[in-house]
Amino acid sequence: DGGITQSPKYLFRKEGQNVTLSCEQNLNHDAMYWYRQDPGQGLRLIYYSQIVNDFQKGDIAEGYSVSREKKESFPLTVTSAQKNPTAFYLCASRTGLAAETQYFGPGTRLLVL
Amino acid sequence: QQQVKQSPQSLIVQKGGISIINCAYENTAFDYFPWYQQFPGKGPALLIAIRPDVSEKKEGRFTISFNKSAKQFSLHIMDSQPGDSATYFCAAKESGGGADGLTFGKGTHLIIQP
Repeated sequence: DGGITQSPKYLFRKEGQNVTLSCEQNLNHDAMYWYRQDPGQGLRLIYYSQIVNDFQKGDIAEGYSVSREKKESFPLTVTSAQKNPTAFYLCASRTGLAAETQYFGPGTRLLVL
Repeated sequence: QQQVKQSPQSLIVQKGGISIINCAYENTAFDYFPWYQQFPGKGPALLIAIRPDVSEKKEGRFTISFNKSAKQFSLHIMDSQPGDSATYFCAAKESGGGADGLTFGKGTHLIIQP
């Protein structure tokens, strides 16, 4: 099956801990994205990457970091600097700069213990 | 600054009725307007999309109406069914092929009552 996979489905973070959310796609898409979803807030862009070894900050990048070492993988680390990390995190991808349609993964729900 | 304003925040419609969700934007550089459907605990999925060169696009029971002069677009769901109960997001993207993400509205929680 082609698509975007995110793991884990649920993740618990302790105070002061960094946690990493996985996002993998086998669609051969160039661009990948991370969004944060909070109730009543819509989707807000955290980071995006157009190509391997390149990524750009989105609207709410503070407290997050990413890497893009492989085309198919775009992990997101929620650092201890992110004081309100509880949210639903969505990874997305699209073919390239000329394409508009973004395809979303199933999401990871992050909860703070 | 909210670039795409979506209303209503929640909507209850009787089965068989018409569901209407509205969005407005300010950025005239937007030239792609998709609607996404999201079920609880799942990622959003593209439902239907439109470009400003047409005023209406229909796919099955779903129709987008677009008013370029008013900078507004809306989603109409005809013969609404309980399976349509979900959260709907409008979004917009600027022309020029920029790689940054879509700008989303805050979402509408739609409930179709049997």
